[in-house]
Amino acid sequence: GAVVSQHPSRVICKSGTSVKIECRSLDFQATTMFWYRQFPKKSLMLMATSNEGSKATYEQGVEKDKFLINHASLTLSTLTVTSAHPEDSSFYICSARESGNLAKNIQYFGAGTRLSVL
Amino acid sequence: KQEVTQIPAALSVPEGENLVLNCSFTDSAIYNLQWFRQDPGKGLTSLLLIQSSQREQTSGRLNASLDKSSGRSTLYIAASQPGDSATYLCAVGDSWGKLQFGAGTQVVVTP
Repeated sequence: GAVVSQHPSRVICKSGTSVKIECRSLDFQATTMFWYRQFPKKSLMLMATSNEGSKATYEQGVEKDKFLINHASLTLSTLTVTSAHPEDSSFYICSARESGNLAKNIQYFGAGTRLSVL
Repeated sequence: KQEVTQIPAALSVPEGENLVLNCSFTDSAIYNLQWFRQDPGKGLTSLLLIQSSQREQTSGRLNASLDKSSGRSTLYIAASQPGDSATYLCAVGDSWGKLQFGAGTQVVVTP
């Protein structure tokens, strides 16, 4: 089956630093990738839709200057949390939609990144 | 705005019993509905995907039904096992590919 690799799986950083999270589709091309955030014991909240070669579309209430998204190739999207603060601590998960199977709208999820900001 | 609700929030059953997990959504204009499994601190594993034109999907011990008109989906897990312990999430998808998730049902299957 299709595999999405997300790296790193866990990161601890100091307040004020920036953290980059990578999301790669390993065996398929993904024109569209999605970034989610999950708080403890809560559901996933869509942060933004990342489209290859164009600007990301952010959901209401998500600061685009805070969460920078780059989708430079059909297999890689990155999320950079800039000037991270403790309230940014969360579980971030990406998903990738297979370009050749848009009709079924199947998304494959990464394993997630646990961000802890001290 | 689409809202997805999952009931119950938590469920504990003895091994061998059948599990019934419920998901409801407020806007019936969905493209598809998916059920996922999430283990603690891990990502999501897709279990079943039901397109809007379908009424159910089956995979092994899992069966999911979809009733768009009433805004409901049910996930059945037959003959539960301790390995089925996890959080189960349902998500409705729109034509743009966006998924709206429910808060999940945390399942514990005791030996």
